[in-house]
Amino acid sequence: EAGVAQSPRYKIIEKRQSVAFWCNPISGHATLYWYQQILGQGPKLLIQFQNNGVVDDSQLPKDRFSAERLKGVDSTLKIQPAKLEDSAVYLCASSLGGPAPDYGYTFGSGTRLTVV
Amino acid sequence: AQSVTQLGSHVSVSEGALVLLRCNYSSSVPPYLFWYVQYPNQGLQLLLKYTSAATLVKGINGFEAEFKKSETSFHLTKPSAHMSDAAEYFCAVSKGSWGKLQFGAGTQVVVTP
Repeated sequence: EAGVAQSPRYKIIEKRQSVAFWCNPISGHATLYWYQQILGQGPKLLIQFQNNGVVDDSQLPKDRFSAERLKGVDSTLKIQPAKLEDSAVYLCASSLGGPAPDYGYTFGSGTRLTVV
Repeated sequence: AQSVTQLGSHVSVSEGALVLLRCNYSSSVPPYLFWYVQYPNQGLQLLLKYTSAATLVKGINGFEAEFKKSETSFHLTKPSAHMSDAAEYFCAVSKGSWGKLQFGAGTQVVVTP
């Protein structure tokens, strides 16, 4: 079974530039999550999709971050404009969904963003 | 509200010694609890999970954890450390709200020969 695919693996940009990350979840997984992992901290949920609808985006900085999940499959997370404090690893995860959080919950390898 | 506290950001163990990583949670209701491992430049891999069945949970790679409601703890143990156990370990909690996980700050494990 193919895992959660993310690209790019690494990205370096200057502050105030824009950047986009892509995630392809496991086939058939209805729920998709984006987490932000700052160095030395645990991952923090940014946004959660159920199919192509947003379930939770309470911790997404909406003035600069946006995310979409077209057709309930792939997802893109965008930052515009980037700040130095956005330097982090952005992890995508997917699951079969449902009220129990352990239905095939799988993480991708992440995209490491460095803002200089 | 719920939160997760991992005691000790770094733990050093000798190869063959006991590995003990501490995790305490605060929650008004029994939560789902997880331990994940993260190797350098990789995503998170599930070690084990507690979902209100058995309080002693066995996971992969010889790890196990015990849910203690009275202590609000979910400590992770492995009887004998191996060099390949060197990684960062995260405790996470979910109240079953459609998969939203809240993670602790992580514990970096170093294994010395």
